Amino acid sequence: EDKVVQSPLSLVVHEGDTVTLNCSYEVTNFRSLLWYKQEKKAPTFLFMLTSSGIEKKSGRLSSILDKKELFSILNITATQTGDSAIYLCAATNAGGTSYGKLTFGQGTILTVHP
Amino acid sequence: DAGITQSPRHKVTETGTPVTLRCHQTENHRYMYWYRQDPGHGLRLIHYSYGVKDTDKGEVSDGYSVSRSKTEDFLLTLESATSSQTSVYFCAISEGTVTYQPQHFGDGTRLSIL
Repeated sequence: EDKVVQSPLSLVVHEGDTVTLNCSYEVTNFRSLLWYKQEKKAPTFLFMLTSSGIEKKSGRLSSILDKKELFSILNITATQTGDSAIYLCAATNAGGTSYGKLTFGQGTILTVHP
Repeated sequence: DAGITQSPRHKVTETGTPVTLRCHQTENHRYMYWYRQDPGHGLRLIHYSYGVKDTDKGEVSDGYSVSRSKTEDFLLTLESATSSQTSVYFCAISEGTVTYQPQHFGDGTRLSIL
C-alpha cells in the first residue's frame, strides 16, 4: 500500500525564522512528488519534483527530492505570517489505474507568529 | 484561479437524506476528481473521471456515486448520507494524468450530516 508521511505534524515559529518540512514516501512505480499550500480553502499547487537533487525554487520557498532515500523537503526562509497554512505533500504512482494514483500525506500545520 | 466552482459551499443535512455536490470547470480538462479531507487523513480520493461518462473508484468510494454527462460538470452523490460522511469535499481537475500533471483544487464544500 502506498504511504506518504509528513513531519512535523505542526510547527510554530516567529517571523523571520527558517523552517524545513519533511515528507517521506513509500510508493510503487513512483513518478513525482508534489507540494501544496492550503490556507482557508483550496490547496494551491507549489512544486512538482521528478528528479533527484534538483532544487525547485519560488521566492522564499524551495524544495528538493531524494529518490534514493525516498524523501523530500520544503524549505521556507524568512517566514512571514502569510506563510501560516497547512502544507501538503503527495506522491504519484505511475502504475495501476488509468489516471495514475496520488497519495497525500497528513499535512504539516505551520503557524508563523509576528 | 483554476476555474473550478463547487456548489453548494456549505450544507447541513440529516442522516438518510440524499445529497448531491456539484463541481463545474471552465477549462475543458479531461480529468476530474472528488476528494474528502478529514483531520489526520490528508486528502483521500473518492472517485475520479477521465472523460464524459468515464468514471472509476478511488480509495474511499463506498457510499458515494458520481456522474459526468458533460466535460465541465462532475457530480458527487451520497445516496443516503451517514454521519461518517461529514467532511470537507474538494473537487480537482488536471490536464493529464496525475503522473505528469499537477491537480488544481476548488474551494471545497463543507458538509455536515446530523
